[in-house]
Order: sequence, then C-alpha cells, then structure tokens
Amino acid sequence: NAGVTQTPKFQVLKTGQSMTLQCAQDMNHEYMSWYRQDPGMGLRLIHYSVGAGITDQGEVPNGYNVSRSTTEDFPLRLLSAAPSQTSVYFCASSRDRGQGFSNQPQHFGDGTRLSIL
Amino acid sequence: GEDVEQSLFLSVREGDSSVINCTYTDSSSTYLYWYKQEPGAGLQLLTYIFSNMDMKQDQRLTVLLNKKDKHLSLRIADTQTGDSAIYFCAENGQNFVFGPGTRLSVLP
Repeated sequence: NAGVTQTPKFQVLKTGQSMTLQCAQDMNHEYMSWYRQDPGMGLRLIHYSVGAGITDQGEVPNGYNVSRSTTEDFPLRLLSAAPSQTSVYFCASSRDRGQGFSNQPQHFGDGTRLSIL
Repeated sequence: GEDVEQSLFLSVREGDSSVINCTYTDSSSTYLYWYKQEPGAGLQLLTYIFSNMDMKQDQRLTVLLNKKDKHLSLRIADTQTGDSAIYFCAENGQNFVFGPGTRLSVLP
C-alpha cells in the first residue's frame, strides 16, 4: 500500500496565483484532513472530511477550499496565494474521525513545501 | 477549547534517557498519541496509550499517563543520534489536536 500520497512535494508560487495540492489515500479511510505546519505552532487544521461529499472547516480555513468527490482523493485549493500561506502542508487520513472508544491514529503524507513570493 | 502543550526543545547526550512531556485539556480524550517527524518528512506514529492505562512500554519507549493531571510523557531509553527529530503529542477527544512539537537534539 502506498498509504497517503501528496503531490507536488515542493512548489513556488507568486502572490495571487492559484493552485491545487493533491492528496490521495489507498486505505479506504473515511476521514481525511489537511494541516499546515509552521515553526513553533505545531499542526493547524485547515479543512477536514468525514466521508465523500462532506467537508467542514478546521481552525484556519480562510483562503483555502476543499472538495471530496471520492473516498480516495481530497484536494486542497489555494484560491489566491498570499505570502502568509507559505508553509508545509500535510494531508492525513484515518478510518473514521475516531471520537469515542476507537483507536484511530491519523496517517500522514510526506508533505508539500509551498513558498509564496 | 482543547489545547495540547509541550516544551519546544530538549537536548540530551547520546546514551542518556530522554523524557518529553505533554499536557492536554480535553478530559474526553480516549487515546493519546506520540508522533515522530524527521527532517523533511511527514509524521510517523510512534506509539499510543488508551486513557484507562497509566503506562505502556514498547522496546526503548515508555509512555506514562497521569489522567488526573492530564499529563503525558514519552521516555526514550538509551537515546541515539537517530532519535533526533520533532516529537508531537496528540489527543483524540472532541477533535484530533496536536501539540506544538518538541525538537529533540541528541549530542555525541
């Protein structure tokens, strides 16, 4: 199994450009999420999805859109890139959201390192 | 809201034990996790503990949980240079929440 695959691994954009970060998982996981990682701030949740056709906002959703048309794919779109969006982006998945008495660790991709000039 | 706190840096000498501490606020957390992030890589699940346990040992790793104080620790015995990484504590309560990460540096 490939697990969680993110593309591209690196990207440089100019302010105002748009782009889509791809995320795919082959574990038939229902729950998928996007985080951004900034120094000293840990991981902050951008958007998440509990299943195909369902998405919701996390802690820092502004400037980002998501969709979940299939169980496998969960792309993240930057609508108009800003320097504040320079970060490392991680996609993660788990069997379900994991609330309650079930052990549902999240599985992570290797990240996309994004620089906005 | 939910919050997870960790100290940001820890330095130890090779061969010593490392102890990384974490505090959390969500008392409904049923599982608590430790992840390791090596440079340029994603987060790798190291170990986890169920909230009705107070200790879990897995080779060189020992996880201690004080549920009353909402305090979690990860002890790495005989720390090696390959253990240099960022370690994240995470709780799975109302939401999956990560701490800021502790950067462990292992000195020769």
